Amino acid sequence: DAKTTQPPSMDCAEGRAANLPCNHSTISGNEYVYWYRQIHSQGPQYIIHGLKNNETNEMASLIITEDRKSSTLILPHATLRDTAVYYCIVRPLGTSGSRLTFGEGTQLTVNP
Amino acid sequence: GAGVSQSPSNKVTEKGKDVELRCDPISGHTALYWYRQSLGQGLEFLIYFQGNSAPDKSGLPSDRFSAERTGGSVSTLTIQRTQQEDSAVYLCASSLRETQYFGPGTRLLVL
Repeated sequence: DAKTTQPPSMDCAEGRAANLPCNHSTISGNEYVYWYRQIHSQGPQYIIHGLKNNETNEMASLIITEDRKSSTLILPHATLRDTAVYYCIVRPLGTSGSRLTFGEGTQLTVNP
Repeated sequence: GAGVSQSPSNKVTEKGKDVELRCDPISGHTALYWYRQSLGQGLEFLIYFQGNSAPDKSGLPSDRFSAERTGGSVSTLTIQRTQQEDSAVYLCASSLRETQYFGPGTRLLVL
């Protein structure tokens, strides 16, 4: 899987948008960008994934640059419960059965 | 719908005892994974089940660890003769295709 680079930590004010960047400059054409998060003492939680188009669901939006070398996860109105470690992963299509590997991720702290 | 569930949520055991951890995957998901996560560490893959195929056991750290999946649904991870280094959070995930959905984990403490 392609390597990803994320800032180790970020802060965000409650109610504001949290924009979490991820660099994946070696991404291949058949690799998706996935985001998970892990709230302290809980299991990882799937957030969103995309291939090349921007994606939005009830949790977040994913903006992927045209060259696909970087992406941004957007939490539009961050709450205190969004405080977690956020992991950006790239994985090839058809990887059912392949193990997930998380890097260091970004510790997002949402402040009141 | 219901997510992945795991039981027990916490387990404290004495060194040398056997433990069984249970995972109920999302209904209809054909793939099931076990991982463990030590304090402050990343995910460590243990084992993967896909339908009726032979499981991928390549991540099991020793022969004290085993897992089974009955009827293509519920899975049990068994650790025999537990050691203190087995203390960790044991996570189960299931998937229908590429996206894996995790349970809340079982926190195992071996004294």
